Amino acid sequence: DIQMTQSPSSLPASLGERVTISCRASQGISNNLNWYQQKPDGTIKPLIYYTSNLQSGVPSRFSGSGSGTDYSLTISSLEPEDFAMYYCQQDASFPRTFGGGTKLELK
Amino acid sequence: QVQLKESGPGLVQPSQTLSLTCTVSGFSLTSYNVHWVRQPPGKGLEWMGRMRYNGDTSYNSALKSRLSISRDTSKNQVFLKMNSLQTDDTGTYYCTRDQLGPYYFDYWGQGIMVTVSS
Repeated sequence: DIQMTQSPSSLPASLGERVTISCRASQGISNNLNWYQQKPDGTIKPLIYYTSNLQSGVPSRFSGSGSGTDYSLTISSLEPEDFAMYYCQQDASFPRTFGGGTKLELK
Repeated sequence: QVQLKESGPGLVQPSQTLSLTCTVSGFSLTSYNVHWVRQPPGKGLEWMGRMRYNGDTSYNSALKSRLSISRDTSKNQVFLKMNSLQTDDTGTYYCTRDQLGPYYFDYWGQGIMVTVSS
């Protein structure tokens, strides 16, 4: 199984700040990396697919990059609704696996 | 519009079988894959298995011996059955869909909380 390691697990930040979340795969996943946001009520929505493609309806302040085993999600200027959990996920192989999550918190 | 909704019991006794239903609308089960993902309280997401558009299934090897996924295309429903439940099976269970490439999960159900307890 491909292990996905996210960092940091917790990220205190301020409104308007630029933040980056990292995700490392235990082996190369050829850009088959997706990012999801989970709100406190449990609602999960996709943000970025195939490393850098923005899901329809997602604000352009979200962006993704990376290659090989290392990937990142960047939010350019934090809005109040961005404080949530974030997960990376690989779909290069089965079983699909997720990172442990990053809790983006208001500083 | 595309929707997925999980239903089933909120409480299951240890050693019993969990049966969940994912009812979908806005798309056909013969054109998209449907997956089950679960999340223990306060923890991360775990992929459980998949019902492929053609009826094939794939399972997480960690759960394979206990897990079965099936479907009824006429009712737009995908079913999850997992036996020999233990307390660490407590959590929120989601069904989700992927497109037939790229394979990310583009729509999710709201999730259903299942507690395993006597």
